[in-house]
Amino acid sequence: DIQMTQSPSSLSASVGDRVTITCRASQGITNYLAWYQQRPGKVPKLLIYGASTLQSGVPSRFSGSGSGTDFTLTISSLQPEDVATYYCQKYNSAPLTFGQGTKVEIK
Amino acid sequence: QVQLVESGGGVVQPGRSLRLSCAASGFSFRSYAMHWVRQAPGKGLEWVAVMSYDGTKEYCADSVKGRFTISRDNSKNTLYLQMNSLRPEDTAIYYCSRTTGTTTGDADYWGQGTLVTVSS
Repeated sequence: DIQMTQSPSSLSASVGDRVTITCRASQGITNYLAWYQQRPGKVPKLLIYGASTLQSGVPSRFSGSGSGTDFTLTISSLQPEDVATYYCQKYNSAPLTFGQGTKVEIK
Repeated sequence: QVQLVESGGGVVQPGRSLRLSCAASGFSFRSYAMHWVRQAPGKGLEWVAVMSYDGTKEYCADSVKGRFTISRDNSKNTLYLQMNSLRPEDTAIYYCSRTTGTTTGDADYWGQGTLVTVSS
């Protein structure tokens, strides 16, 4: 099975900072990669699908890139409401594995 | 609007069974594959199972294979997860979610979840 590895596992940044989270697949998954945001105590929310397509209603400061095995989620200017754990997920075929998550906090 | 409402969670002893339901509304349920995803207390998301739009294809995580069965009734707009031989490590919030495809896909809508606690 393909493993999904996120880094870092947590980060602390200041409001307005550019934040980058990476997700690496152990084998190629073309662009079948989604990113989710889970705020504390809330349900996960789809941010990006197809590795780089922004879900409707998601602020444009979020962006995704990558293909094959290496993917990136970028928050161009971190806001207080972005405090959350972020997960990547492969969905080309089962098992539809999630990464272990990256917790983002405000410094 | 799209709504997914899970039910059936609760406290159950190890080795017993439980069936979760997910009632869908606000979209054409029969046109979408559906997932179950779980989250143990303080832990990350774990994909559990997916069923195709017409119920002909199903896939489960190795951690639940042979114990959990996903099914759906398109006439009732309802997704199910039959959980047998439950273990303490199955304790989690169980979410149902809609995929963007007919067999698999990312999850664009999620329910609020139902808590399953496996404990003696």
